[in-house]
This record gives sequence, structure tokens and C-alpha cells, in this order.
Amino acid sequence: DAKTTQPPSMDCAEGRAANLPCNHSTISGNEYVYWYRQIHSQGPQYIIHGLKNNETNEMASLIITEDRKSSTLILPHATLRDTAVYYCIVPSYNAGNMLTFGGGTRLMVKP
Amino acid sequence: DAGVIQSPRHEVTEMGQEVTLRCKPISGHNSLFWYRQTMMRGLELLIYFNNNVPIDDSGMPEDRFSAKMPNASFSTLKIQPSEPRDSAVYFCASTMTVNTEAFFGQGTRLTVV
Repeated sequence: DAKTTQPPSMDCAEGRAANLPCNHSTISGNEYVYWYRQIHSQGPQYIIHGLKNNETNEMASLIITEDRKSSTLILPHATLRDTAVYYCIVPSYNAGNMLTFGGGTRLMVKP
Repeated sequence: DAGVIQSPRHEVTEMGQEVTLRCKPISGHNSLFWYRQTMMRGLELLIYFNNNVPIDDSGMPEDRFSAKMPNASFSTLKIQPSEPRDSAVYFCASTMTVNTEAFFGQGTRLTVV
């Protein structure tokens, strides 16, 4: 996989936007950026993915820089239930698009 | 669809015993993944199947671990003999095709005493 770098932890106030950064400077042109999260004791949950354009769904927005070397996941109005570990993943096309997880960012949403 | 179904949810076994974990992927999904999660090592990809064929098993830690996918609706991960260091949560995930989202099961928490 293209190596991704995320801060190990972040805090966010409840109701505010949470902006989670990810660097993927070695990404190739045909590789997507995926975001998953894992709430304690549960299986990872898909959030969003994108290739070049910004994406938005009911959970979050994904902003990808023009050079595709970094991206930001935005939770527009964080709630306590958004406390989780967030993983940014770039599956390698040459490796069969296997999902390999790094350390992720532990987001703590505080009242 | 009920999602990815794993069984059992919890397993406690004695060292040296054989352990079999089971996974039923979402119907119509072509790829299946087995992961192991521990505090020390995080989420590790063990093996990946595509159309029931093992594609990459480089993450399988030792010969004590084996995985099979006899058909599109069932996969097993077997540990024989089990050791205390195998204690972890084991997740199964499936995807429909490449570049689509993966759906994870609730995991099996394995404790080897």
C-alpha cells in the first residue's frame, strides 16, 4: 500500500467540525483513498473513499488535495459517538487492492 | 442482508487445542479478508481470498494457521495447535469488487490459556 501518515490522536469539541489529516505522498494515479473508523470493540466501519474529486456522504466529507498527496476527512458536527480510531488507507492496485491498516488517529470527542 | 457473520463471538481454549473460526461473507461479495487485532500489533491482514481462491497469505504468522474458502458463502480460519500468543480479536471482511468498501464482521475474541 502507499504509505499513509496520520497523527496518533486528536481531540474535538462536541458539535464542532473534526478535521482529520492524512498524508499519502507516494500514492499512484489509480489508487483510491479510503477512510474507515473503529469504535471500541467493534469491527472497522467504512466511511468514505475518493480518487481525485472531493466526496461527501451522510457521514463525512473527504477533501483530496490537487496533487493527491494528502487528504482530510471532515466530520462536520462531531458527536460523542464519533469517538473512535480513524484509519486512512490507500490500497495498492498492484497488491490486489488489499486493505492494510496502519495506526490510525484516535479521535476523542469531548463534551 | 445480515452483513458479515462471524462465529463464535467468543472462544476460550487451552493451549495446544485446535481452534476454528468461521465467517459468512455478504452474499454476492467476491473478496474475503481475515484480520487479527491485538493491542501491540494493531490490525494485521492475515489472508485475502478472491473468488474463493487465496491470493495473498503472506500475513499468516505461522504454519499453525490455515484458512480455507470452500465456497462463496463460507470461510474458516484454523489454528492448530493454539498458543497463548494467538489471543486476539479476529475479524473477517468482504467486498463486492475492487475499489468498493469492505464490510467487517463483529469479530471473534479468542483467548488461549
